[in-house]
Amino acid sequence: AAGVIQSPRHLIKEKRETATLKCYPIPRHDTVYWYQQGPGQDPQFLISFYEKMQSDKGSIPDRFSAQQFSDYHSELNMSSLELGDSALYFCASSQNWRGNTIYFGEGSWLTVV
Amino acid sequence: GESVGLHLPTLSVQEGDNSIINCAYSNSASDYFIWYKQESGKGPQFIIDIRSNMDKRQGQRVTVLLNKTVKHLSLQIAATQPGDSAVYFCAENPSGTYKYIFGTGTRLKVLA
Repeated sequence: AAGVIQSPRHLIKEKRETATLKCYPIPRHDTVYWYQQGPGQDPQFLISFYEKMQSDKGSIPDRFSAQQFSDYHSELNMSSLELGDSALYFCASSQNWRGNTIYFGEGSWLTVV
Repeated sequence: GESVGLHLPTLSVQEGDNSIINCAYSNSASDYFIWYKQESGKGPQFIIDIRSNMDKRQGQRVTVLLNKTVKHLSLQIAATQPGDSAVYFCAENPSGTYKYIFGTGTRLKVLA
């Protein structure tokens, strides 16, 4: 079965640079979620989108923005990167009308040097 | 959930024994809960879910118990196997929201 696809899988950026992560949800899933997970930490909810509209917002820094496009894929844009942004970023998706089970991708490793 | 740094609670069990992993959730308005298994460097993998109108749900070798009175979830794994070694998280979905809040993970170590 198709899963959530994230790209790139690994990314190295310097401080103050910009990074963009992409997420392709499971086919027919209309809701996308972004999470940030530091080493040994719990996944922290950043933001979610339902039918291309922002649906909930968590602890997403003002330097970050995200959107969901007409084909339901989503992008997380991170600017003015800081060392503390180094983490594993997960995207998850769900088919909202069928219930709320969310399925995660394998994540994008961001290292800021 | 709150960050616990690098020192996750750890549960060590003998292969073949049953494991019980506990989770306290924070929001009394949460009406849907999921248990995830996460292996190192990988995404959380769905194990089992339960809605707030139930107090028990069984899957293959796993059972989830929900106690809404004390806002507590548990995951029981029967006949624990080496492949069960991972970090386990519970996640709660507050009613009417599009977000899942993760609880503190528990590292399960299966001893041969």
